[in-house]
Amino acid sequence: QKEVEQNSGPLSVPEGAIASLNCTYSDRVSQSFFWYRQYSGKSPELIMSIYSNGDKEDGRFTAQLNKASQYVSLLIRDSQPSDSATYLCAVEYSSASKIIFGSGTRLSIRP
Amino acid sequence: DAGVIQSPRHEVTEMGQEVTLRCKPISGHNSLFWYRQTMMRGLELLIYFNNNVPIDDSGMPEDRFSAKMPNASFSTLKIQPSEPRDSAVYFCASRGVAGDIQYFGAGTRLSVL
Repeated sequence: QKEVEQNSGPLSVPEGAIASLNCTYSDRVSQSFFWYRQYSGKSPELIMSIYSNGDKEDGRFTAQLNKASQYVSLLIRDSQPSDSATYLCAVEYSSASKIIFGSGTRLSIRP
Repeated sequence: DAGVIQSPRHEVTEMGQEVTLRCKPISGHNSLFWYRQTMMRGLELLIYFNNNVPIDDSGMPEDRFSAKMPNASFSTLKIQPSEPRDSAVYFCASRGVAGDIQYFGAGTRLSVL
């Protein structure tokens, strides 16, 4: 089993709709979770970090964490064409403080 | 701050040659990470350092790869000898303390012919 799993996509969502991205992880003691966005040919850039169970909102983005289910998700409301990118889920394994990335979900927002 | 600085941005070399990638982390950051990204394998963690000390190098593919961090402001990733399958984008990232977010450099695109 991979340490951090994501659906590779592509996920196609109409402009203005909600995009939902999901991620599961294997280490029960993980404490820190991150969502990065990566445009083609660019480096990953942080969108959200979340550390506690529940929801965390920042503008059009909401991160959701459920440690019991080892599940973290990212919702993008009012999707825009500029949101088209690959979204990477990252998990910090607290036993070693190393950060492992999922393989990413490619999101495409269609006009 | 200038962010994480990587050099070179692009490297083209022939199989068997030595390749050295360089990284300058953000000043004051205590942890430095080297990743490799390919279409097939995604973003893989190769090695990371805390306070200049290598903590986990289990992701280094084989003995041809080595990494050093002689001081808090500089790290190198060396491949010797290089092979075509090493072609990838190599990213360096740094952060302050455990739990902090990582900041990525622009990456080095390596092509081994």
